[in-house]
Amino acid sequence: TQLLEQSPQFLSIQEGENLTVYCNSSSVFSSLQWYRQEPGEGPVLLVTVVTGGEVKKLKRLTFQFGDARKDSSLHITAAQPGDTGLYLCAGRAYNTNAGKSTFGDGTTLTVKP
Amino acid sequence: DTEVTQTPKHLVMGMTNKKSLKCEQHMGHRAMYWYKQKAKKPPELMFVYSYEKLSINESVPSRFSPECPNSSLLNLHLHALQPEDSALYLCASSTRDSGGTYNSPLHFGNGTRLTVT
Repeated sequence: TQLLEQSPQFLSIQEGENLTVYCNSSSVFSSLQWYRQEPGEGPVLLVTVVTGGEVKKLKRLTFQFGDARKDSSLHITAAQPGDTGLYLCAGRAYNTNAGKSTFGDGTTLTVKP
Repeated sequence: DTEVTQTPKHLVMGMTNKKSLKCEQHMGHRAMYWYKQKAKKPPELMFVYSYEKLSINESVPSRFSPECPNSSLLNLHLHALQPEDSALYLCASSTRDSGGTYNSPLHFGNGTRLTVT
């Protein structure tokens, strides 16, 4: 059973459209991170959310952490081709071995000009 | 530029070769990690070192041998690999909280693209 269910797995949209990526779990997380990975590079941290109900904004990206700290979402407004990449949510659940970050399956986003 | 440096960027090796992957960070992080990643998939944890001691081995085959010579360096020694071991190998580091937990985010290097022929 996947601890973090991420959806959708693939997303192809036109420049200017909005999109939301979801990350859901039945476990409670002490913190949750969102990363973006471009081809040939390692994942780069976008944001960490810690508090239930927290909302963080990073330019056109809005991140939410669920009140119960079991789910999170990433919303991109007016997507641009530069947003293309693999988006990963990851976190450490309270009931897992310390040191193990659980990753969602990732969302491959393609933004067409 | 990433603050975690991995070398080499690309490596092609035969199944009888012995090679090593290297990782270096100077952020003072005391937790270091090896991950394996296949195309369009999330990273899979292989090993975790905490204060230079191996704390997690995710049942990785013995043909992969990690080493942490000091707090800044992490190596992964490779021997007798199989073609299915071809992947992107990522090194990461993070701080450990004062309570000994790992709640801080991971800082990844750009990886070594390994091809086993």
